[in-house]
Amino acid sequence: DAKTTQPPSMDCAEGRAANLPCNHSTISGNEYVYWYRQIHSQGPQYIIHGLKNNETNEMASLIITEDRKSSTLILPHATLRDTAVYYCIVRATGNQFYFGTGTSLTVIP
Amino acid sequence: NAGVTQTPKFQVLKTGQSMTLQCAQDMNHNSMYWYRQDPGMGLRLIYYSASEGTTDKGEVPNGYNVSRLNKREFSLRLESAAPSQTSVYFCASSGAGTSRVGELFFGEGSRLTVL
Repeated sequence: DAKTTQPPSMDCAEGRAANLPCNHSTISGNEYVYWYRQIHSQGPQYIIHGLKNNETNEMASLIITEDRKSSTLILPHATLRDTAVYYCIVRATGNQFYFGTGTSLTVIP
Repeated sequence: NAGVTQTPKFQVLKTGQSMTLQCAQDMNHNSMYWYRQDPGMGLRLIYYSASEGTTDKGEVPNGYNVSRLNKREFSLRLESAAPSQTSVYFCASSGAGTSRVGELFFGEGSRLTVL
């Protein structure tokens, strides 16, 4: 599976949109982009995933560039409860989930 | 519907002792996984089981053994614990029937300290 690169940390003001970038320049055509987050020391929680089209659900939006070499997770109105580590994972169906070190997002009051 | 249940939640061992971490899921998932997470680090895959009766090594399998006892249960055994195995261990499962293809469901974690 392709490797991903994320900034180690980011801050966001409460109520503003949080935009978390992820680079995956070696992604293959059959690989999906997944986003998970981990709050405190809980087990990671699924947020969203996509293949090539932009996706939106009740938690977030996922924007994938046309060449699929990068993506952005958008939390439209960040709250203090969104403070967490966010993992971007590239995975082909049937393969395993390999978590990197992620981005530590701090939402500031 | 409990999801993924791990036991014990906390354990302290002495070097050389053995123990088994238990994991059970009630979502009828085919695939189950064991990860470890060291302080300030991401999760690393130890072993996984794509289906009942099969197991495969992940990134960091040394020092561990696993058993897929049945479709519900996947255990992780430390035969001779070492301080380097001090970590938080997460079990996860995935499978058909979920609304989101490939979604992993995690347990609450088991915090292991080896002295």
